[in-house]
Amino acid sequence: EVQLVESGGGLVQPGGSLRLSCTASGFTLSGYWMHWLRQAPGKGPVWVSRMSSDGSTTDYADSVRGRVTISSDDSKNTLYLQMNSLRVEDTAVYYCATTYSSSSGGAFDVWGQGTMVTVS
Amino acid sequence: DIVMTQSPESLAVSLGERATINCKSSQNVLFSSNKKNFLAWYQQRPGQPPKLLIYWASTRESGVPDRFSGSGSGTDFTLTISSLQAEDVAVYYCQQYYTIPRTFGQGTKVEIK
Repeated sequence: EVQLVESGGGLVQPGGSLRLSCTASGFTLSGYWMHWLRQAPGKGPVWVSRMSSDGSTTDYADSVRGRVTISSDDSKNTLYLQMNSLRVEDTAVYYCATTYSSSSGGAFDVWGQGTMVTVS
Repeated sequence: DIVMTQSPESLAVSLGERATINCKSSQNVLFSSNKKNFLAWYQQRPGQPPKLLIYWASTRESGVPDRFSGSGSGTDFTLTISSLQAEDVAVYYCQQYYTIPRTFGQGTKVEIK
């Protein structure tokens, strides 16, 4: 079964740091573009960052650029999101997601369950 | 950034009746070379991640009931639930994957009347 499992969320003070992890099972992360999204309580999902399948390309939302770094460890089949200088407005559930089926063309057909980050 | 605007914000529909949700993008999401609309619809139940229902604006994801259908092209799109079931109570989002940043609508909450 294709699955993504996030971890690493928690309560952090403003200005603090966290590293989120997203471990894949049932497929190899390095074969897919991987994305991080977040969803604040009562709001819609917001795209945060992406990494290409070979790791050579990364993109970030304007709201996090310079404070967040996406990376991966192929040996652990795990995607990371290093978040620094956290702000209250970064409070959200953070999801990793991907387009697993090529027929979906770029829509996110696999999501993790999410990990909650609270900045307070 | 492409802004996605959904309407209505919420709607209450009787069981077995039709629910229609609209989504408008601020820019065209139809890719001219393959004639495909880079538009997806998701369903999100409380405490769950979004679930892909429709991609390419009108293609149902595997396992999605055929009461869900998507239509539209360019900048105007519609998700229709032809006969609302109790399990369809959720928030529905449209999303464009034409460009980065990927952007979502603000969501439409569907409830039972």
